[in-house]
Amino acid sequence: AQSVTQPDIHITVSEGASLELRCNYSYGATPYLFWYVQSPGQGLQLLLKYFSGDTLVQGIKGFEAEFKRSQSSFNLRKPSVHWSDAAEYFCAAGGAAGNKLTFGGGTRVLVKP
Amino acid sequence: NAGVMQNPRHLVRRRGQEARLRCSPMKGHSHVYWYRQLPEEGLKFMVYLQKENIIDESGMPKERFSAEFPKEGPSILRIQQVVRGDSAAYFCASSVDTQYFGPGTRLTVL
Repeated sequence: AQSVTQPDIHITVSEGASLELRCNYSYGATPYLFWYVQSPGQGLQLLLKYFSGDTLVQGIKGFEAEFKRSQSSFNLRKPSVHWSDAAEYFCAAGGAAGNKLTFGGGTRVLVKP
Repeated sequence: NAGVMQNPRHLVRRRGQEARLRCSPMKGHSHVYWYRQLPEEGLKFMVYLQKENIIDESGMPKERFSAEFPKEGPSILRIQQVVRGDSAAYFCASSVDTQYFGPGTRLTVL
């Protein structure tokens, strides 16, 4: 069965510190991979996506993610977080462009001043 | 180019009533998806539609829930005889190859 796991439910980070959010997937083949961010009471905004090619993907708001086939991972990173990065982050996987997405449970990020 | 539109943003229904949630995809997108987010959980796929066709409804509950995407007009997710367990945020997404999400409809069943 297809699944996406985000091992960390909550992460607290100081403003200006680096951030890494973990995502592991289980799929029959290499899936299409996405990271979305959700602010309280809002919809999901796409941060970045991986379809193929370069395994280091750049996204919006200074985020990047690295696809590692050997580890079935697609971790999200940001070198220096801002208070506005406080939100919930979801990793998602799809079998092909246009297919349904399977989401992880989300990681809630709190940013300390 | 307007994003994915959903209305209403908030909907309150009493048990046994019907809920109708609307989704207008981004211009040029012919694929629509519905997801449900229960409190403190991630999003769960419900149904995938193209114009006038249901492509994948593997995540839809077998009873009371239906979805359509007519040739003209928005996609509709209908929940008949709502129960308290239907209280959730319902998100619509549209795509060509990447799914873009609407702001969601938050359904509260009293």
